[in-house]
Amino acid sequence: KAGVTQTPRYLIKTRGQQVTLSCSPISGHRSVSWYQQTPGQGLQFLFEYFSETQRNKGNFPGRFSGRQFSNSRSEMNVSTLELGDSALYLCASSFAGEDETQYFGPGTRLLVL
Amino acid sequence: SQKIEQNSEALNIQEGKTATLTCNYTNYSPAYLQWYRQDPGRGPVFLLLIRENEKEKRKERLKVTFDTTLKQSLFHITASQPADSATYLCALDHPNDYKLSFGAGTTVTVRA
Repeated sequence: KAGVTQTPRYLIKTRGQQVTLSCSPISGHRSVSWYQQTPGQGLQFLFEYFSETQRNKGNFPGRFSGRQFSNSRSEMNVSTLELGDSALYLCASSFAGEDETQYFGPGTRLLVL
Repeated sequence: SQKIEQNSEALNIQEGKTATLTCNYTNYSPAYLQWYRQDPGRGPVFLLLIRENEKEKRKERLKVTFDTTLKQSLFHITASQPADSATYLCALDHPNDYKLSFGAGTTVTVRA
């Protein structure tokens, strides 16, 4: 089976712009979670989707949003980018999202200038 | 507030020795705890999951213990090899909340 894929792998944006990141889960996985990883804060949970429904959201401002499509692919969007949004954004998938291993993608490295 | 602490940021050990990593948590009641390995520039990779009713789990040279009374998990890498050099993360679930919370990680360096 192919692993979790994320596109793009690297991105450079300027403050005030918006960005959309994409994640394709492992085939058959219906749960997709997003995390932000920074040197100072570590891995922080952003949100989780299952069958196109957001089941949980982390403690991030409303500029961070996401969605999941019927084929389980997911996107996350960050609007009005700030310098502090520079991070590695990781997507993880699992079959149902509860009591299960998370399979992580390689991440999207976002740099905001 | 909920907190997860991993014993140290860095651990340097000699090849062949056992590395022991600690994960302590407060104000949590996780149903299970997971350990992941992360190499630079890559996403975390799952290693082991241990449930609240399990005391110990093993996989090849890896061993995990889980003490819900002490609110602590220990992660052991026996007969360590330079290829084991990586950052190791512990993660706790939030029952029925569909999310994992991660510790800051411990970077292990195994010297040949």
